Amino acid sequence: NAGVTQTPKFRVLKTGQSMTLLCAQDMNHEYMYWYRQDPGMGLRLIHYSVGEGTTAKGEVPDGYNVSRLKKQNFLLGLESAAPSQTSVYFCASREGGRNQPQHFGDGTRLSIL
Amino acid sequence: DAKTTQPNSMESNEEEPVHLPCNHSTISGTDYIHWYRQLPSQGPEYVIHGLTSNVNNRMASLAIAEDRKSSTLILHRATLRDAAVYYCILDSSNTGKLIFGQGTTLQVKP
Repeated sequence: NAGVTQTPKFRVLKTGQSMTLLCAQDMNHEYMYWYRQDPGMGLRLIHYSVGEGTTAKGEVPDGYNVSRLKKQNFLLGLESAAPSQTSVYFCASREGGRNQPQHFGDGTRLSIL
Repeated sequence: DAKTTQPNSMESNEEEPVHLPCNHSTISGTDYIHWYRQLPSQGPEYVIHGLTSNVNNRMASLAIAEDRKSSTLILHRATLRDAAVYYCILDSSNTGKLIFGQGTTLQVKP
């Protein structure tokens, strides 16, 4: 039971570097989400997707881009990393429809120096 | 998006019941009430959800007020493993977007 898998688990970047976080789900879910969580805070939605080939902005989309080329994968990109993007990033997925829970990955801890 | 209000923290003794309250006075008729919890250094975990009627599952019970302006998550016998941050969230969007607040930090004392 893999569920939602995030890669990598940890990463340290220098300011200005770029990287891509990968989220993969094996539950054939339509909807996928990227959140960030800063220390002592709740999660904030960055971007989400309601199906293959679709993406939409969440609460805090600036500085991030996403792609959903395959149904099972949702990529989060940082084109030019900034220290303010130091955070823990969580991916989630769910079946379509409102009466469904979200399933979360274990997170990616990203530090930007 | 409708907002929820929860106490910042609560304490419980091990093996005693815990009632975690949540106020959502601006809830609309089609909003589902979801509860998630987050253990230290882990991603959030789904606990339970409901619309109008009380709900039970293997993890917890959800009691929803008749006017739906508040709800209570009930852990019947708290264990040390239940120490976590509990989030009460209204699912008000067809896209499933969840708005996480600060949640309630539950401490369980042995």
